[in-house]
Amino acid sequence: GQQLNQSPQSMFIQEGEDVSMNCTSSSIFNTWLWYKQDPGEGPVLLIALYKAGELTSNGRLTAQFGITRKDSFLNISASIPSDVGIYFCAGQRYGNKLVFGAGTILRVKS
Amino acid sequence: DGGITQSPKYLFRKEGQNVTLSCEQNLNHDAMYWYRQDPGQGLRLIYYSQIVNDFQKGDIAEGYSVSREKKESFPLTVTSAQKNPTAFYLCASSIVWQGAGNTEAFFGQGTRLTVV
Repeated sequence: GQQLNQSPQSMFIQEGEDVSMNCTSSSIFNTWLWYKQDPGEGPVLLIALYKAGELTSNGRLTAQFGITRKDSFLNISASIPSDVGIYFCAGQRYGNKLVFGAGTILRVKS
Repeated sequence: DGGITQSPKYLFRKEGQNVTLSCEQNLNHDAMYWYRQDPGQGLRLIYYSQIVNDFQKGDIAEGYSVSREKKESFPLTVTSAQKNPTAFYLCASSIVWQGAGNTEAFFGQGTRLTVV
């Protein structure tokens, strides 16, 4: 089936650092979605992207829909402790089911 | 309020028993999905449905069954054939994107199933 490769698998952040993660696919997608999951909760939608090249922000979060339509990027600027959690990307093609990446786990450096 | 509701939040099952997890949405979404999540892991697709009375197996369907008799409801049964059922189960819904409108998927709050 369709696969989304999400990287990095996990990362440690220090408060104030900028964070980047990405998703790539061998298939073209028409939609890219980014979610965040807190422990014990369902994922919550952060940003939705519908157009190749689109750059969309939501507060300190910025996501981009890659020009090739095979990738997407999420950046978090000036991270804070509550940014920890699991971030998922998801892609969808015309008439098809959503496909999710395996997630990027964000942890705080102690 | 529109949304997607899973119940119960916590569920305990004895070995050898079947158990059914509920998922209801009032978003008028055609597509519904069930995912399994193990600790510290990503989402694995169990079953999905894009229309009433039709559903498809996902990547890990063995030991699970579903039904889609109504658009709003997509219950998941964890059968005794599922050898390692302890996990966090997430239900989601979305439109079936046909080239217009948004295609955002929304998740329920999850059900944590523990086999005792």
